[in-house]
Amino acid sequence: SYELTQPLSVSVALGQTARITCGGNNIGSKNVHWYQQKPGQAPVLVIYRDSNRPSGIPERFSGSNSGNTATLTISRAQAGDEADYYCQVWDSSTAFVFGGGTKLTVL
Amino acid sequence: QITLKESGPTLVKPTQTLTLTCTFSGFSLSTSGVGVGWIRQPPGKALEWLALIYWDDDKRYSPSLKSRLTITKDTSKNQVVLTMTNMDPVDTATYYCAHSGWPTGYFDYWGQGTLVTVSS
Repeated sequence: SYELTQPLSVSVALGQTARITCGGNNIGSKNVHWYQQKPGQAPVLVIYRDSNRPSGIPERFSGSNSGNTATLTISRAQAGDEADYYCQVWDSSTAFVFGGGTKLTVL
Repeated sequence: QITLKESGPTLVKPTQTLTLTCTFSGFSLSTSGVGVGWIRQPPGKALEWLALIYWDDDKRYSPSLKSRLTITKDTSKNQVVLTMTNMDPVDTATYYCAHSGWPTGYFDYWGQGTLVTVSS
């Protein structure tokens, strides 16, 4: 089965750039999607198909995907960006696969 | 606008069968390309995809839970039902339903989730 690996936690200073990685075997050949989940709330899609933002998601959120690593980048981090972030792919053998999640802390 | 809402028991006993209903609005499961899935999240843990049903009745299940899951749809009622057999305390989690599409492969609208506790 396909697996996605994320760091447990990432810290970023207020106003700086946060990068959250998602590792998987040849993940660059797949479409990667990212979700933001704040405490007590349902996940929200923030990036789809590697680098596309749904309506209403700030331009500060961007994504890239190549080789064995996909990356979610949050520019000019704000206190309101503190959340858990999950990557997700669709795999032909496992269907929908989520990463283990990364807790983003804004210092 | 698209909305989804989960309903079902908040407490089930070990070995019982869990039945959850997702009632949605703003789209139809008879429309080509539409899907509704279930995802769960144990307290303090990661998201785990469970099952998904498409407009054409194609069904996909998590390989690790396939033997315990059944997903069905009632297009006339705008509902999707998930049943999970032989519940165990480790199945305690918040269960979400979410809208997806083919071949997008992602979940763009989510319900608020419902917490199910498995305990005797």
